[in-house]
Amino acid sequence: AQSVAQPEDQVNVAEGNPLTVKCTYSVSGNPYLFWYVQYPNRGLQFLLKYITGDNLVKGSYGFEAEFNKSQTSFHLKKPSALVSDSALYFCAVRPGVSGTYKYIFGTGTRLKVLA
Amino acid sequence: DTGVSQDPRHKITKRGQNVTFRCDPISEHNRLYWYRQTLGQGPEFLTYFQNEAQLEKSRLLSDRFSAERPKGSFSTLEIQRTEQGDSAMYLCASSSSRGPYEQYFGPGTRLTVT
Repeated sequence: AQSVAQPEDQVNVAEGNPLTVKCTYSVSGNPYLFWYVQYPNRGLQFLLKYITGDNLVKGSYGFEAEFNKSQTSFHLKKPSALVSDSALYFCAVRPGVSGTYKYIFGTGTRLKVLA
Repeated sequence: DTGVSQDPRHKITKRGQNVTFRCDPISEHNRLYWYRQTLGQGPEFLTYFQNEAQLEKSRLLSDRFSAERPKGSFSTLEIQRTEQGDSAMYLCASSSSRGPYEQYFGPGTRLTVT
């Protein structure tokens, strides 16, 4: 079965410290990979994506993510966390198989940045 | 900014009633998705439209669920004979087929079945 795993329900980090939110996947083909963020009472917002090319991709608000094909991972990172980064983060994968358009989401990781 | 809109934002209904939700995607987007999200879970794919054609449906979508996108613009999701297990947030998202593939989500419709 195709799946996306976010092994940590919550990540706590002090403001100014680097943060990592983990994502691993098990899907067919060469997938497209995404990170979304959800703030309270707001819809999901796109952060960044990996389609092809450089394994390190940069996105909104200073976030970046590294695609690791051998480890089937796509961890989200930021060099210096802000309190305003506190939110719910979702990893999503679109399998690289023709004829399917579905996106598979992880269960989410709540990031709490402490002042 | 004309993002994705959904209506209603909240719906409370009694078990056994039918409900219909509407989604208006970003105007130039021809791809439209419906998801269901319950507390503590990520969005769960329900169905996908490219223009007016429904190209993919989740096996989770029982025969009580139906979706349409009659003119390739707005879409509706209908749930017949609602059950308490249908209580969830229903999300709509749109994207362009020309890439770059990211989805833009609406605010969702929260359904409560009593």
